[in-house]
Amino acid sequence: DTEVTQTPKHLVMGMTNKKSLKCEQHMGHRAMYWYKQKAKKPPELMFVYSYEKLSINESVPSRFSPECPNSSLLNLHLHALQPEDSALYLCASSRVQASSGNTIYFGEGSWLTVV
Amino acid sequence: SQQGEEDPQALSIQEGENATMNCSYKTSINNLQWYRQNSGRGLVHLILIRSNEREKHSGRLRVTLDTSKKSSSLLITASRAADTASYFCAPSFLGNEKLTFGTGTRLTIIP
Repeated sequence: DTEVTQTPKHLVMGMTNKKSLKCEQHMGHRAMYWYKQKAKKPPELMFVYSYEKLSINESVPSRFSPECPNSSLLNLHLHALQPEDSALYLCASSRVQASSGNTIYFGEGSWLTVV
Repeated sequence: SQQGEEDPQALSIQEGENATMNCSYKTSINNLQWYRQNSGRGLVHLILIRSNEREKHSGRLRVTLDTSKKSSSLLITASRAADTASYFCAPSFLGNEKLTFGTGTRLTIIP
């Protein structure tokens, strides 16, 4: 069982909708991540938050807007998405940012379909 | 780009056999991790090997690292149907704060 909780598990939204994906962890981790994964592909890094500050933005379009309200929560706000944005969105956390060998713990993901 | 490349892309074996998958990379690393992903689920950390280590074991898993060849392998012994999943390597490159995942190997264990 994962200790990173993502909601909702499934989301269908229209291209004009505004919705949010939510992620929560209570492991005291100070780094949190959003990854996007298309079918049969590896997860692709989107954003990294370190100590509640945006550390890495992998040139993600502005229709994806991350937010880290506190050390336990990470949101991904979605607006004016395109059908090609349909994917599995994975949230993850680690004790500190991952480069020094910290294990990353993943949530089960949110399946997003844009119609 | 800094990413691991895995080989083979897909592997099917009989239950009880051993499965080996390989990861190659191009620049120096701090460490390398392996993760498993069951279909449509989150990733689960399996094992981490540091750049000064050559081999590591965890249960039925054995990971090797050859920094001179810039490659790592994951061996799963006595495979079980529950091992059916995608396996990703994740090299942590020197000077790079990001953790990116290799292309993945889809492993199917045939009962």
